[in-house]
Amino acid sequence: EDQVTQSPEALRLQEGESSSLNCSYTVSGLRGLFWYRQDPGKGPEFLFTLYSAGEEKEKERLKATLTKKESFLHITAPKPEDSATYLCAVQASGGATNKLIFGTGTLLAVQP
Amino acid sequence: EAGVTQSPTHLIKTRGQQATLRCSPISGHTSVYWYQQALGLGLQFLLWYDEGEERNRGNFPPRFSGRQFPNYSSELNVNALELEDSALYLCASSFPEEYGYTFGSGTRLTVV
Repeated sequence: EDQVTQSPEALRLQEGESSSLNCSYTVSGLRGLFWYRQDPGKGPEFLFTLYSAGEEKEKERLKATLTKKESFLHITAPKPEDSATYLCAVQASGGATNKLIFGTGTLLAVQP
Repeated sequence: EAGVTQSPTHLIKTRGQQATLRCSPISGHTSVYWYQQALGLGLQFLLWYDEGEERNRGNFPPRFSGRQFPNYSSELNVNALELEDSALYLCASSFPEEYGYTFGSGTRLTVV
């Protein structure tokens, strides 16, 4: 069964303290791995799509990487406005579905 | 460009009643997806509509249903509401072969 596990569940950082979030996945065939950011009471906001092992993408203080079993979201010198829940999702190849399978997210709090 | 819009923002219903949630996709997108996000849980796939037809549904009872209109907007209906149906309902849209999708801000359904 396709599955996504994110760790840690929650992370508290001081402003400027870099860290990484982990997303482990099991999928029959990977079409894509997605990172979203979600603020309280709002819908997820798209950050990155990764398609194959070894791929990396960057956006401001965020960098996403992908291996055959997991993805990391690296946050460099975070600011308080980076506080949010970060969601990882996978989309399986084949079959008659476009559904994304989500992890339960990592709640990031960055303190000034 | 307008994003995915959902209405209403909040909805309070009594157990046993019916709820109707609406979604307008991004212009040009023909696929619409519905997800349920209950408190403390990850996003759970509900339904996928494309070109007016239901393409796939998640592991939810038949009282969760919906439809897609000729203009690609969509409606989610939840019959015989139960307390555990209280959640944030998210709609997303994409082109059918596009990887990943764009979410709306959601409808917060509260069943009392």
